[in-house]
Amino acid sequence: EAQVTQNPRYLITVTGKKLTVTCSQNMNHEYMSWYRQDPGLGLRQIYYSMNVEVTDKGDVPEGYKVSRKEKRNFPLILESPSPNQTSLYFCASRSTSTDTQYFGPGTRLTVL
Amino acid sequence: GENVEQHPSTLSVQEGDSAVIKCTYSDSASNYFPWYKQELGKRPQLIIDIRSNVGEKKDQRIAVTLNKTAKHFSLHITETQPEDSAVYFCAASITGRRALTFGSGTRLQVQP
Repeated sequence: EAQVTQNPRYLITVTGKKLTVTCSQNMNHEYMSWYRQDPGLGLRQIYYSMNVEVTDKGDVPEGYKVSRKEKRNFPLILESPSPNQTSLYFCASRSTSTDTQYFGPGTRLTVL
Repeated sequence: GENVEQHPSTLSVQEGDSAVIKCTYSDSASNYFPWYKQELGKRPQLIIDIRSNVGEKKDQRIAVTLNKTAKHFSLHITETQPEDSAVYFCAASITGRRALTFGSGTRLQVQP
């Protein structure tokens, strides 16, 4: 089954404690991205990757890092989380042939 | 970069009525326009998309229209049902450039 997976689905942490949210896709998509979703602000792109070892900033990259060492994985790293990073995070992958974008199930992060 | 505006932010209709959600985009080079539906607590899911070489596309009760000159596109849902209640997002991008820019979302409520 074609899918995008994320882990963990829920996470409560404290300010400054480094965390990683994993994302994996099994569709062999080249393009992957991370979004955060906040009430009234829609889906805002954090980072994206057009291929292995190729990443670039989206609209709201401050406080986040990503890496793309393998085509299927695109982890999101928060080196020193702060309360304003409390949000719902979605990973997505996109087909370069159809443009169709698929979202992961989401990770609800709370930073105390 | 691309900017997508979406209206209205909330929409309440009676079951069986039609619903229309409108989006405008700023970059005349955009040529791919998907619509996503997000049910409460779930991931956004693609429901229909349209490319700039087509003016209208239909899929059962859902249709999307595109006016390239005016740079706007709309989602039309006919014979609405309670299960259509969700948040709907429009998006725009350029094929070959992998970023989808999303509108801020429309919360549709279908009253039984």
